[in-house]
Amino acid sequence: AQKVTQAQTEISVVEKEDVTLDCVYETRDTTYYLFWYKQPPSGELVFLIRRNSFDEQNEISGRYSWNFQKSTSSFNFTITASQVVDSAVYFCALGSTSGTYKYIFGTGTRLKVLA
Amino acid sequence: EAGVAQSPRYKIIEKRQSVAFWCNPISGHATLYWYQQILGQGPKLLIQFQNNGVVDDSQLPKDRFSAERLKGVDSTLKIQPAKLEDSAVYLCASSLAGGRVVPQYFGPGTRLTVL
Repeated sequence: AQKVTQAQTEISVVEKEDVTLDCVYETRDTTYYLFWYKQPPSGELVFLIRRNSFDEQNEISGRYSWNFQKSTSSFNFTITASQVVDSAVYFCALGSTSGTYKYIFGTGTRLKVLA
Repeated sequence: EAGVAQSPRYKIIEKRQSVAFWCNPISGHATLYWYQQILGQGPKLLIQFQNNGVVDDSQLPKDRFSAERLKGVDSTLKIQPAKLEDSAVYLCASSLAGGRVVPQYFGPGTRLTVL
């Protein structure tokens, strides 16, 4: 079965601290995609990144970086030098290219960045 | 480019009443999704359209929920009759094609409260 686990329900950090959001997934597919979305208080989910199962290169985009490790089925997200505007709920999601699997979202991690 | 539009933003009804939500996707996006997001949980796919055909409605409670996408553009989701457990945010999303492995773009959602 497909599953996405975000064990951290809520994280609070002080501005300028680094923070890592964990995502662990389960799938039997050999080809799949992983996503991170941000949901600010306004409610609209915003796409941040997509990775496919064949590309384990880490990616950096400004203050954001993602670490994909197939060996541990993890796709973790790090925010460097956090800012108050980073406060939001972050969702990890898994998408499959086969079968009837759906686009599965984790339960989300609420990040609070304190000034 | 305009994003995904949804209306209304908020709706309060009593149980057993009916309610309808409207969504207009990003221009040119063939795939449209409706998600239900219960407080504290990740979005759960209710139905996915490819143009005006249904691709996946396996998690749609068909005894009370219905959705249509006439002319392959905007869509409506209806609940009749509503139950207390339908209280949630209903998110509409769209994507260029395929769906499962491409980024989805979300609207602001409709927050439904059933009393």
